[in-house]
Amino acid sequence: RKEVEQDPGPFNVPEGATVAFNCTYSNSASQSFFWYRQDCRKEPKLLMSVYSSGNEDGRFTAQLNRASQYISLLIRDSKLSDSATYLCVVTLNNAGNMLTFGGGTRLMVKP
Amino acid sequence: DVKVTQSSRYLVKRTGEKVFLECVQDMDHENMFWYRQDPGLGLRLIYFSYDVKMKEKGDIPEGYSVSREKKERFSLILESASTNQTSMYLCASSFWGGTEAFFGQGTRLTVV
Repeated sequence: RKEVEQDPGPFNVPEGATVAFNCTYSNSASQSFFWYRQDCRKEPKLLMSVYSSGNEDGRFTAQLNRASQYISLLIRDSKLSDSATYLCVVTLNNAGNMLTFGGGTRLMVKP
Repeated sequence: DVKVTQSSRYLVKRTGEKVFLECVQDMDHENMFWYRQDPGLGLRLIYFSYDVKMKEKGDIPEGYSVSREKKERFSLILESASTNQTSMYLCASSFWGGTEAFFGQGTRLTVV
């Protein structure tokens, strides 16, 4: 079983739609959680951290459910520019040096 | 502006060659990482380093070694390249306890 699992998609949605991705992790000792975004043929970049209380950044909302060991990302009012692969990332220690990536979920926003 | 630089964008090597992939960061980060990314498998950690001369195996270290002689530079070495090492290689760095890892632009290695 993979340590961090994501639905690979693709999720094809029209502009303006709301879309949600989930990610499950297997290690209950996981410390920190993030969503990264990777555009085609580019390197991954941090989108947002995920806090226990949930957090919002504009159209993006991230939530963590430790009991069920999953995190989610909600994108409201999708834009064409949101088309990318979204990577769920988990760290196993406080040193930030045990980053484990999920396989990514591909989002395609269409006009 | 933060910067992680990988020495090559594209590389073609022959089976059995010794291959060096270089990564340099200018942010004084303690942690540095080497990942490979393959379709359907996502990013998999090969090795990471949390300090000069320190290294830890990741999930798939077989066939690879690393070197960190200076804080800003982390090298990935393929001792004897094989075709199953054809992949996209990504270097990253972060502060100790940091929440964000910064990636280089990637090296697409083809072993023929």
